[in-house]
Amino acid sequence: SQKIEQNSEALNIQEGKTATLTCNYTNYSPAYLQWYRQDPGRGPVFLLLIRENEKEKRKERLKVTFDTTLKQSLFHITASQPADSATYLCALGGPQIYNFNKFYFGSGTKLNVKP
Amino acid sequence: EAGVAQSPRYKIIEKRQSVAFWCNPISGHATLYWYQQILGQGPKLLIQFQNNGVVDDSQLPKDRFSAERLKGVDSTLKIQPAKLEDSAVYLCASSLVRGAYNEQFFGPGTRLTVL
Repeated sequence: SQKIEQNSEALNIQEGKTATLTCNYTNYSPAYLQWYRQDPGRGPVFLLLIRENEKEKRKERLKVTFDTTLKQSLFHITASQPADSATYLCALGGPQIYNFNKFYFGSGTKLNVKP
Repeated sequence: EAGVAQSPRYKIIEKRQSVAFWCNPISGHATLYWYQQILGQGPKLLIQFQNNGVVDDSQLPKDRFSAERLKGVDSTLKIQPAKLEDSAVYLCASSLVRGAYNEQFFGPGTRLTVL
């Protein structure tokens, strides 16, 4: 069965630095990968999507890479701020079978940005 | 636009009791998802609806869990009877269409504690 791994240990960084989070997967060939942010007591919020044929995607201070050979995605937050502190989840989707897509979430990595 | 609504926000029951959760997706969203998120883990997809039809319930424990989507809008998820291991946050999400790349909008979740 598919397995998605995100670093279970919290990532602690200093404000202004770049945070890099990793999502590794096995036994799966996703059509796309999404990153979500989840704050305590709230549902996940969508951040970025990258398709299997894309290498990199950017949105403001966020950058996502997708390496289907390594079966890995990296999620970067540049010029990090304390407000970026949250748990970040990766979600793999597809391949599209019939009329729907499977979705599988990783367990998330908690990011702590210290002022 | 209003977000995904869920109720109740919290529920405490004893094992072997029954419980039901309600979800109202964003207006016009055809696809609705129910997830189970156990503490420290990522969301696990239980069931996916397209309008009022089930397209994927492969991870739904059908001996105790059931779900329906009335008239392709609101949805209810029921657990009968509950077990201790059902303690989790139950998240509802919706997306605009049944596409491969649509972001999911999540509700705040219902935190279930089974004693």
